[in-house]
Amino acid sequence: AQSVTQPDIHITVSEGASLELRCNYSYGATPYLFWYVQSPGQGLQLLLKYFSGDTLVQGIKGFEAEFKRSQSSFNLRKPSVHWSDAAEYFCAVFPLFSGSARQLTFGSGTQLTVLP
Amino acid sequence: GAGVSQSPSNKVTEKGKDVELRCDPISGHTALYWYRQRLGQGLEFLIYFQGNSAPDKSGLPSDRFSAERTGESVSTLTIQRTQQEDSAVYLCASSLEQGAVNQPQHFGDGTRLSIL
Repeated sequence: AQSVTQPDIHITVSEGASLELRCNYSYGATPYLFWYVQSPGQGLQLLLKYFSGDTLVQGIKGFEAEFKRSQSSFNLRKPSVHWSDAAEYFCAVFPLFSGSARQLTFGSGTQLTVLP
Repeated sequence: GAGVSQSPSNKVTEKGKDVELRCDPISGHTALYWYRQRLGQGLEFLIYFQGNSAPDKSGLPSDRFSAERTGESVSTLTIQRTQQEDSAVYLCASSLEQGAVNQPQHFGDGTRLSIL
């Protein structure tokens, strides 16, 4: 079955520390991959996306993500976290081929808390 | 440059009542999506509209849920005879073209629905 897994429900880091949020997918072929961020009471904002090519993609707000085909992973990273990064982060996939429903499938999210 | 607008932002109603949620997509966006986000969970796809094509209703959880969209404008999501398990944030998103993965989905801030 096709699925997106974010194994960490909640992560706490200190401001200035590095961050890595995990995302694994299970699809027949490499889908398109996305990371979204949701601040409290707001909708989702696209951080970055991977379609093809360079496996390290840069996004907004200093975030980057690395696609690893061998691990079916698309982990989100940031070298130095800011207090304003506290939010919920969602990994999402979009199927490469039609046949399955052509819409985003989201992971269950990772809540990030940043300590001063 | 208005974004996706949803109303109301919050709705509290009694069990058994009908509710109607509204979404104003970004002007020119032909694709419109509804998602449900239960507390502590990821986004659950409900329905999407693409131009004048028949909507994909495959995500609607029961026949109490319905949605309409006139052309490429406003959409309404209606929940009849609400139940407590309908309590969630309902998010709307729009994009230039459904199925075109290079057209990102833009999300509204959601409607927080609470069923007493």
